[in-house]
Amino acid sequence: KAGVTQTPRYLIKTRGQQVTLSCSPISGHRSVSWYQQTPGQGLQFLFEYFSETQRNKGNFPGRFSGRQFSNSRSEMNVSTLELGDSALYLCASSLVPDNNSPLHFGNGTRLTVT
Amino acid sequence: EDQVTQSPEALRLQEGESSSLNCSYTVSGLRGLFWYRQDPGKGPEFLFTLYSAGEEKEKERLKATLTKKESFLHITAPKPEDSATYLCAVQAFSGGYNKLIFGAGTRLAVHP
Repeated sequence: KAGVTQTPRYLIKTRGQQVTLSCSPISGHRSVSWYQQTPGQGLQFLFEYFSETQRNKGNFPGRFSGRQFSNSRSEMNVSTLELGDSALYLCASSLVPDNNSPLHFGNGTRLTVT
Repeated sequence: EDQVTQSPEALRLQEGESSSLNCSYTVSGLRGLFWYRQDPGKGPEFLFTLYSAGEEKEKERLKATLTKKESFLHITAPKPEDSATYLCAVQAFSGGYNKLIFGAGTRLAVHP
């Protein structure tokens, strides 16, 4: 069974640009969460999607947005990139939300903003 | 405020030298505690889930235990391939949702 797939693996962007990251969850998983990981802040929750609806959102500015499609695939978008947005962006999936089962993570997209 | 603290930040062991990693938490409405392993450049890999105090889980050289305030990840006779960052995450019910709070991790280096 294929794991969580994130594309692209690496991205280099310039300040002010925007970026879209993609995530395909494990087959049958309908809940997708996004996290930002940096050396200083660790893993920080961005948002969670289920049935194409955002269920929960972390404390990030509105420049960070996401969506989920009917096949459970998800994308996140960051507009007007800042240097501080450089991070590893991780997508995680689970069968459904709130069922206390573990999240399964992809290998992330490494975003570098110059 | 919900909080998860892992210690030590970094740990260096000789091959075969057993030790323990600590994860202490203060959350309301604990739903579960998860341990993950993360290798450089990769996403966290799920290891264990613990739901209630007194519970223990084992996998190869790793054993996770849970009390009401902390969890331990015991590593018995580690090998160099056990070198990784170990992350603890606590799932708490807050504001109508489950939320997952991660600790900062323990970087483990096992030397031959």
